[in-house]
Amino acid sequence: AQSVAQPEDQVNVAEGNPLTVKCTYSVSGNPYLFWYVQYPNRGLQFLLKYITGDNLVKGSYGFEAEFNKSQTSFHLKKPSALVSDSALYFCAVRDREGSTLGRLYFGRGTQLTVWP
Amino acid sequence: GAVVSQHPSRVICKSGTSVKIECRSLDFQATTMFWYRQFPKQSLMLMATSNEGSKATYEQGVEKDKFLINHASLTLSTLTVTSAHPEDSSFYICSARTGTSASTQYFGPGTRLTVL
Repeated sequence: AQSVAQPEDQVNVAEGNPLTVKCTYSVSGNPYLFWYVQYPNRGLQFLLKYITGDNLVKGSYGFEAEFNKSQTSFHLKKPSALVSDSALYFCAVRDREGSTLGRLYFGRGTQLTVWP
Repeated sequence: GAVVSQHPSRVICKSGTSVKIECRSLDFQATTMFWYRQFPKQSLMLMATSNEGSKATYEQGVEKDKFLINHASLTLSTLTVTSAHPEDSSFYICSARTGTSASTQYFGPGTRLTVL
């Protein structure tokens, strides 16, 4: 069964420090991987995705994520956090094949708080 | 990134009435559109998937007669909550993507429905 795990409900980090939001997945085959961010009472904004190629993916607002096939992980990172990065972050995976082709599976979300 | 709009952003209605929510892809043709429901501090729950010109595919447990979805064109999908009740109060988010399996899924800003 396809699943996405975000093991931390909450991540707190000081402004200027590096941040990591963790994501692991369980999907048959080679999935497509995505990160989205959600601000209060808003929809999800796309940050980045991994399709193929270089395992390190760079996205919007200085975020990047590293695809690790052996660990089935796709952790989101940023070298220097900003207070404005405080939001809810979702990891998502999509099947490349099978009957659920096209469906996104979401993690439960990680609330990132960056304090000044 | 591509833009998905949703209207209205907020609606309050009386129990027993019907509410229609519109979702539009503004700068791309959305072969597939999705409707999600989100409860406070929780992840997104997929309600249904629709392809342009076809009937929507509903997730298990979602009443298709209560949540009517129409994907009439490549840029417009509507969700109608029929005979709304207070338990239908929620945050509804639409999403859209093009036909390729690797394409990014873009999200609307969401609609806050409150049923009195």
